[in-house]
Amino acid sequence: EPEVTQTPSHQVTQMGQEVILRCVPISNHLYFYWYRQILGQKVEFLVSFYNNEISEKSEIFDDQFSVERPDGSNFTLKIRSTKLEDSAMYFCASSEGYNEQFFGPGTRLTVL
Amino acid sequence: AQSVTQLDSHVSVSEGTPVLLRCNYSSSYSPSLFWYVQHPNKGLQLLLKYTSAATLVKGINGFEAEFKKSETSFHLTKPSAHMSDAAEYFCVVSDRYSGYSTLTFGKGTMLLVSP
Repeated sequence: EPEVTQTPSHQVTQMGQEVILRCVPISNHLYFYWYRQILGQKVEFLVSFYNNEISEKSEIFDDQFSVERPDGSNFTLKIRSTKLEDSAMYFCASSEGYNEQFFGPGTRLTVL
Repeated sequence: AQSVTQLDSHVSVSEGTPVLLRCNYSSSYSPSLFWYVQHPNKGLQLLLKYTSAATLVKGINGFEAEFKKSETSFHLTKPSAHMSDAAEYFCVVSDRYSGYSTLTFGKGTMLLVSP
C-alpha cells in the first residue's frame, strides 16, 4: 500500500541553523501539506502546496519557513534559522484532491 | 473559524468493553469531520470521515461515528475494545471556508486498553 515517507525521523540542530525536512508524498497525489505538533499541543496546519505554489498558509508559516518540490518526488520544508520554539514533530501529508489527507510518520525536530 | 474540542485527554477501558471518545466542533460552514488515529512511531491514519452524506459513518477496525448537527458533536464509538486499539485519537474538522484543505485538529484523546 502506498504511503507517505519522511526523513529523517529525528533531527537535532543548534539554534540559528538551517534545517530541511524531507517528504516523499504518494506518487499520484497533487496536494501536499506540512503540519506540526509541539509537544503536548495540537497538531497545527502550516502550509498547503499545489501546482508548484503555496495555496494556503497559516500565521505560523512566516518568512523563516519555505517549501519546495525540487523534483517529481520530494517535498521539502526548510527552516532558515531555527529557534528553540521550532522544536516539534513535523508531519507531511498528501492528497489526490480535497479529500483524505495521507500522513507520514513525522520528523521530530529538536532545537538546542 | 473552525475549531474542535476533544472532551477527554485520556480514556481507559477494559478489553471487550465499549469505547466512547467525545468530540465537539465549531464551524460556520459546511463541515467535513474526520477521526484520525496515531499509533506510537506511526503516521496519522484515517479511521473515518463525514462529508455531508449519511450521518452515521462506519470506519475501519469496527469504529463508527455519528454526526449530530444539533449537538455539534461527532463522537467516536466502538462496541468492543481490542488491545490493538490503544493509541491516540484525533478529531479533525475542515470546512468550505478553508477550501476543505486546512485541517483543524483537536488536542487528541489517548485511549488506554487494559486486559
